[in-house]
Amino acid sequence: GEDVEQSLFLSVREGDSSVINCTYTDSSSTYLYWYKQEPGAGLQLLTYIFSNMDMKQDQRLTVLLNKKDKHLSLRIADTQTGDSAIYFCAEIPSGGSYIPTFGRGTSLIVHP
Amino acid sequence: GAGVSQSPSNKVTEKGKDVELRCDPISGHTALYWYRQSLGQGLEFLIYFQGNSAPDKSGLPSDRFSAERTGGSVSTLTIQRTQQEDSAVYLCASSPPGELFFGEGSRLTVL
Repeated sequence: GEDVEQSLFLSVREGDSSVINCTYTDSSSTYLYWYKQEPGAGLQLLTYIFSNMDMKQDQRLTVLLNKKDKHLSLRIADTQTGDSAIYFCAEIPSGGSYIPTFGRGTSLIVHP
Repeated sequence: GAGVSQSPSNKVTEKGKDVELRCDPISGHTALYWYRQSLGQGLEFLIYFQGNSAPDKSGLPSDRFSAERTGGSVSTLTIQRTQQEDSAVYLCASSPPGELFFGEGSRLTVL
């Protein structure tokens, strides 16, 4: 099975909040990332959180981490049509080779 | 350049031909990764370089796939005898290490 799981689609109305969820399996993960991929483009880092943090806020973005449940979420406040993209969650394991594992991505569709 | 550069951006080839995909990482980044993104799929890890060595090649799908990195910089991913199932976007990323910086990808279509 996948090490990082995400729901595949999320549809929201412009101006509402979006919450994208992710679960991971490696309890030793040190970093957890959120990447954004716009159509035809590569992935861009949106934000990240260290595993010793519970929450991180950056403008319209809020990341929540529940280590006990291995659950990560990304909340986008006041979602805009420009936020429509695929959002990938990724974990970085501690120790060993530094190879991030990505989820399959959540397609966020923002409609007027 | 300022970012990770990949070429070609698009490649259409016939089944059975060999293709080479190139990645120019950000200068000074020691780690380099290749991922494959198929339609509707997530990112499939292919190979990771630390400097010029590849400590993890476990993601390469078959012996038709190979990659090298020279001078701790440019990397080439080679696919021999391409098959239709090789059609995908091949993404390269480099890292200081830490955050991964991705290129725009090379879209490969095998007819």
